[in-house]
Amino acid sequence: DTAVSQTPKYLVTQMGNDKSIKCEQNLGHDTMYWYKQDSKKFLKIMFSYNNKELIINETVPNRFSPKSPDKAHLNLHINSLELGDSAVYFCASRRAGGDSPLHFGNGTRLTVT
Amino acid sequence: DQQVKQNSPSLSVQEGRISILNCDYTNSMFDYFLWYKKYPAEGPTFLISISSIKDKNEDGRFTVFLNKSAKHLSLHIVPSQPGDSAVYFCAATVRGTSYGKLTFGQGTILTVHP
Repeated sequence: DTAVSQTPKYLVTQMGNDKSIKCEQNLGHDTMYWYKQDSKKFLKIMFSYNNKELIINETVPNRFSPKSPDKAHLNLHINSLELGDSAVYFCASRRAGGDSPLHFGNGTRLTVT
Repeated sequence: DQQVKQNSPSLSVQEGRISILNCDYTNSMFDYFLWYKKYPAEGPTFLISISSIKDKNEDGRFTVFLNKSAKHLSLHIVPSQPGDSAVYFCAATVRGTSYGKLTFGQGTILTVHP
């Protein structure tokens, strides 16, 4: 009954490949996010969608393309993977408005070799 | 430029004692602060928050203190339990316009010894 679920949990791939990470939430939230945890352990926002509309794009290379087919799903597609893309990617969601906290998925550890 | 910093990478505490985790921020626009807890191989889970109009918020064993003039907040856990062993992240945001854009610190690993 995971509220925010991401697949896959682990992803190992070679440089230059294209890969996708999927995220689904069953909380009925309007807003979804992708955060990246880098090697220094900082969690940094990448994208945010509200009701399928992109509202935050934090200067992420355009090799990263989020896709939100509906408000319960936010997938992340990465083209031409580079070594520096290796990180843990977290999907999150929250109810729009007020101070409702973010609910995170369990992360996808991406390793680019 | 890291706007939220947790300068202690780790903290070790005896069960039953108080754990104090610290966080500093530089952006004076931040007006809402949160603490998240993270176990290995899991995502962060929300613990407690505080608005900049308050200086203290309490929830059971967890209390967050905010010192706006010093741009400092702290999380107190008392009494500490072994199950509290996790990574604790401090986060900050600007209410209203940021749609949940959180700026996180790098985390503090808390170990509570039985």
